[in-house]
Amino acid sequence: KAGVTQTPRYLIKTRGQQVTLSCSPISGHRSVSWYQQTPGQGLQFLFEYFSETQRNKGNFPGRFSGRQFSNSRSEMNVSTLELGDSALYLCASTRGERPANTGELFFGEGSRLTVL
Amino acid sequence: DQQVKQNSPSLSVQEGRISILNCDYTNSMFDYFLWYKKYPAEGPTFLISISSIKDKNEDGRFTVFLNKSAKHLSLHIVPSQPGDSAVYFCAASAYGSSNTGKLIFGQGTTLQVKP
Repeated sequence: KAGVTQTPRYLIKTRGQQVTLSCSPISGHRSVSWYQQTPGQGLQFLFEYFSETQRNKGNFPGRFSGRQFSNSRSEMNVSTLELGDSALYLCASTRGERPANTGELFFGEGSRLTVL
Repeated sequence: DQQVKQNSPSLSVQEGRISILNCDYTNSMFDYFLWYKKYPAEGPTFLISISSIKDKNEDGRFTVFLNKSAKHLSLHIVPSQPGDSAVYFCAASAYGSSNTGKLIFGQGTTLQVKP
């Protein structure tokens, strides 16, 4: 079973630009969540999509947005990039519906964004 | 407001000894807790979880203890092995084990196991 795939793995942008990151979940998983990891802050929840609808949202500004397609693939977009947006962006998938086993998320390897 | 806190940024342990990683939380609505391990350049991987109706869960060398009254949980690794060297994240959910993608993570503790 293929794991969660994120593209691109690395990218460099400049302030003011926008960026789109892509995530392909594990086959059969309908929930895709996005997390931002920065040094000292751990993983911070951005949002979760389930069946093409945003189901949960974290405390990030509106510059951060996402969407999910009918095949469960998801994209997140960050507009008007700021230096503080430099981070590892992690995507995670799960079945997203009962019955649940452990509630665990399956993470991709992440997209490392550097904003100059 | 950090609802899940891992107050020790790092921990160093000798191979074969016990590693104890700690985690505190403030939100009494949390009812499911998980531990993840992360190696450099990889995504976090699930280790073990515990429901709030239990106070202990074991899986091989890994045991998680939950003290609800103290809002504290800990991960014990016995015996510790060099391959356990990684960053460990504590996470909490207010949705039980309902397969939601929303988890609240701590800042992580870097464990180094010395041979």
